[in-house]
Amino acid sequence: SSELTQDPAVSVALGQTVRITCQGDSLRYYYATWYQQKPGQAPVLVIYGKDNRPSGIPDRFSGSSSGNTASLTITGAQAEDEADYYCNSRDSRHNHPVFGGGTKLTVL
Amino acid sequence: EVQLVESGGVVVQPGGSLRLSCAASGFTFDEYAMHWVRQAPGKGLEWVSLITWDGGRTYFADSVKGRFTISRDNSKNSLYLQMNSLRPEDTAFYYCAKDVGASGTTHFDYWGQGTLVTVSS
Repeated sequence: SSELTQDPAVSVALGQTVRITCQGDSLRYYYATWYQQKPGQAPVLVIYGKDNRPSGIPDRFSGSSSGNTASLTITGAQAEDEADYYCNSRDSRHNHPVFGGGTKLTVL
Repeated sequence: EVQLVESGGVVVQPGGSLRLSCAASGFTFDEYAMHWVRQAPGKGLEWVSLITWDGGRTYFADSVKGRFTISRDNSKNSLYLQMNSLRPEDTAFYYCAKDVGASGTTHFDYWGQGTLVTVSS
């Protein structure tokens, strides 16, 4: 079982704001990294560090953290944002990466 | 343009062995740590292994420790995953991923398209 917990599914109305969360003890010490994966495609890095976006990632994606919970917020969700979203961080025992179980985002 | 191309995925019997390769281009390969991440069909991502920029340190998930070995050949811009004692639960798409740093972080900024390993009799 994953040390990082994500809600299996979240939905959002087109143009509205949605928050996807990731919980785990290691998040008290390390930032979460967020990846987007669309069907049949490889994951894409969307947020890393405190709130950093790689080039090409729209600024409607943002990251935040509080206590043992990290959040990925999409402000004004678009149809193309429908995807699976995974968080990762460091495993608290072994200090290597560990992924959350993923959240399937549906844009209505 | 950064490219990561995995190869080597096939159908293999339980207990068998397999070596995956990842050919890298478009960046200075020997400056970055590299990872293998797998995804069983219809399931989530699972980190498998990390190798530092010089191959000096390697790390493995508990699920594969003692069975898998990671290596790299910086002269060939290539990453490898040697998989032994394969089990049906190792069936997955295997992705190689580039780290943003030399010693290993949780930020993987480029991914290959994956290669499918099926462990079945």
